[in-house]
Amino acid sequence: DTGVSQDPRHKITKRGQNVTFRCDPISEHNRLYWYRQTLGQGPEFLTYFQNEAQLEKSRLLSDRFSAERPKGSFSTLEIQRTEQGDSAMYLCASSLARASGPQETQYFGPGTRLLVL
Amino acid sequence: DAKTTQPPSMDCAEGRAANLPCNHSTISGNEYVYWYRQIHSQGPQYIIHGLKNNETNEMASLIITEDRKSSTLILPHATLRDTAVYYCIVRVVGGGSNYKLTFGKGTLLTVNP
Repeated sequence: DTGVSQDPRHKITKRGQNVTFRCDPISEHNRLYWYRQTLGQGPEFLTYFQNEAQLEKSRLLSDRFSAERPKGSFSTLEIQRTEQGDSAMYLCASSLARASGPQETQYFGPGTRLLVL
Repeated sequence: DAKTTQPPSMDCAEGRAANLPCNHSTISGNEYVYWYRQIHSQGPQYIIHGLKNNETNEMASLIITEDRKSSTLILPHATLRDTAVYYCIVRVVGGGSNYKLTFGKGTLLTVNP
């Protein structure tokens, strides 16, 4: 069973450094989502892609954050000039949206836990 | 998406049924009820979803009231591995709608031996 995978699983960095996370969705899933989760809270939506197009970005996604999905398969999330407030779990999810049906279920990866010192 | 209200925590004895309630009194006719759970330090796991009929799968049953203003997730025989935070999410699906999942704080279910 090849579910959603994320790499790395853990990342410790110093304030001001850049970090990049990778997400590999379930094969043939055309939608890919990024969420962020801080301690004690539920995940919060950051952005999503339909194939390679980034269709929505949350206001939580400051200009230090950038996400790409260049070939409509894997995605990367980069955070530039990290701040201590960026410490969180970054979750990726994917789904298959069909034109013929309304239902679309998102499946999540294990997440990347970021600690900014 | 409509807002949901869940109790912050619940306990259940191992082997007994766990019944997790969710209120969604402002739900619209085209909004589905989704349940996810999150075991400590893992990503959320999809459990089940429904529109207005009761649903059952290998993990759980979902009971939606006739007026659709509340629902109950039932784990028929809870095990220690079911200890997790359970999220009830109401979401419009399809047709150019809002695709994101809006999570609340969920219910921490603790299954006791």
